[in-house]
Amino acid sequence: AQSVTQLDSQVPVFEEAPVELRCNYSSSVSVYLFWYVQYPNQGLQLLLKYLSGSTLVKGINGFEAEFNKSQTSFHLRKPSVHISDTAEYFCAVAQGGSEKLVFGKGTKLTVNP
Amino acid sequence: DTGVTQSPTHLIKTRGQQVTLRCSPISGHKSVSWYQQVLGQGPQFIFQYYEKEERGRGNFPDRFSARQFPNYSSELNVNALLLGDSALYLCASSPTQAGANVLTFGAGSRLTVL
Repeated sequence: AQSVTQLDSQVPVFEEAPVELRCNYSSSVSVYLFWYVQYPNQGLQLLLKYLSGSTLVKGINGFEAEFNKSQTSFHLRKPSVHISDTAEYFCAVAQGGSEKLVFGKGTKLTVNP
Repeated sequence: DTGVTQSPTHLIKTRGQQVTLRCSPISGHKSVSWYQQVLGQGPQFIFQYYEKEERGRGNFPDRFSARQFPNYSSELNVNALLLGDSALYLCASSPTQAGANVLTFGAGSRLTVL
């Protein structure tokens, strides 16, 4: 069974600092990888996704992620965060051709002034 | 173009009661999936329906059921509610059956069981 591990449950950073949110997945077959953001009392918004091709994926709001097959990782990065990036971030995996996503437990990013 | 709409947005029930949650997919999307997000956890897959048939089911008890209507909207029913059923229930739609890569989520229905 697929699983996703988000290595940090909480990440506090100062405004304009860089941030990396870590995600590892377990799967022996081709997978699709996703990062979603959830603001308080809201649903999930897709930040970016890796389906195939270039391992560096750029998303919305200045976020990017790098797919590393050998390390089964898909870490999310942003070079300079804003207060408005404060939210919970979820990494998810789907087996190619699957109908469902498997999510990690989430990382709460708090950006302080 | 409206997104995925869910109703009600919030509701409170007591243990043992039954609840029905509703979801309208994006126009043209034929697949609807349901996820449960317990506080402090990531969403967990409950069901997928495509063309009015169940196409996938997660590890949830038989108290959970769903259906999809000819207009592709969907209902999630939970019977004999337990305190542990308190969660945000998310609906997502996609245009195809194997559409995990093109899911669009609604804002969710927050259920509190007292």
